[in-house]
Amino acid sequence: DADVTQTPRNRITKTGKRIMLECSQTKGHDRMYWYRQDPGLGLQLIYYSFDVKDINKGEISDGYSVSRQAQAKFSLSLESAIPNQTALYFCATSDNTGSPLHFGNGTRLTVT
Amino acid sequence: AQSVTQLDSHVSVSEGTPVLLRCNYSSSYSPSLFWYVQHPNKGLQLLLKYTSAATLVKGINGFEAEFKKSETSFHLTKPSAHMSDAAEYFCVVTLTSGTYKYIFGTGTRLKVLA
Repeated sequence: DADVTQTPRNRITKTGKRIMLECSQTKGHDRMYWYRQDPGLGLQLIYYSFDVKDINKGEISDGYSVSRQAQAKFSLSLESAIPNQTALYFCATSDNTGSPLHFGNGTRLTVT
Repeated sequence: AQSVTQLDSHVSVSEGTPVLLRCNYSSSYSPSLFWYVQHPNKGLQLLLKYTSAATLVKGINGFEAEFKKSETSFHLTKPSAHMSDAAEYFCVVTLTSGTYKYIFGTGTRLKVLA
């Protein structure tokens, strides 16, 4: 079983719809992250959380929100999806500063 | 501030020949450096990490990287490419303390020719 699980794997939605991407982990890590990947741009940080009561914006948080429901669960919402949010979204965890990130398999989101 | 540059967006090698994927970094403080591999429709898998211990780091699948502070480089190598190595590779830098930021390179796509 994967240590970091993302659902759904693929999602097609229409402009203006609200959608939620979910992430759960069994690694026991306190730190969780949401990244967005666009071709040729590497990964950009959307939000991060160091524990259940700690939520922080990343570089590209506009149009997104998150919820840390438990240590193991971190969900990303698009309040009103737009076509330029079409991308591959990754959830990741880490256990400390300087430690490697552990990634889920990603959610491919298409907004039409 | 930290930054990372992957010098080649695409690299092609023949099966059985050496692989070299280049990464240069910039960091004001002690960095942690990682290489990740991404196969199609998959997440990023950690290949190896440097966290201020040995400068020559061995990873999975026969890959290794050498941390060269004087050259600010962390190039990824493998003596003999295999068809299954075809993927995209990312160099990542962060600090050993005091930050949440992981800075990703833009990736190098490795093609392995039969």
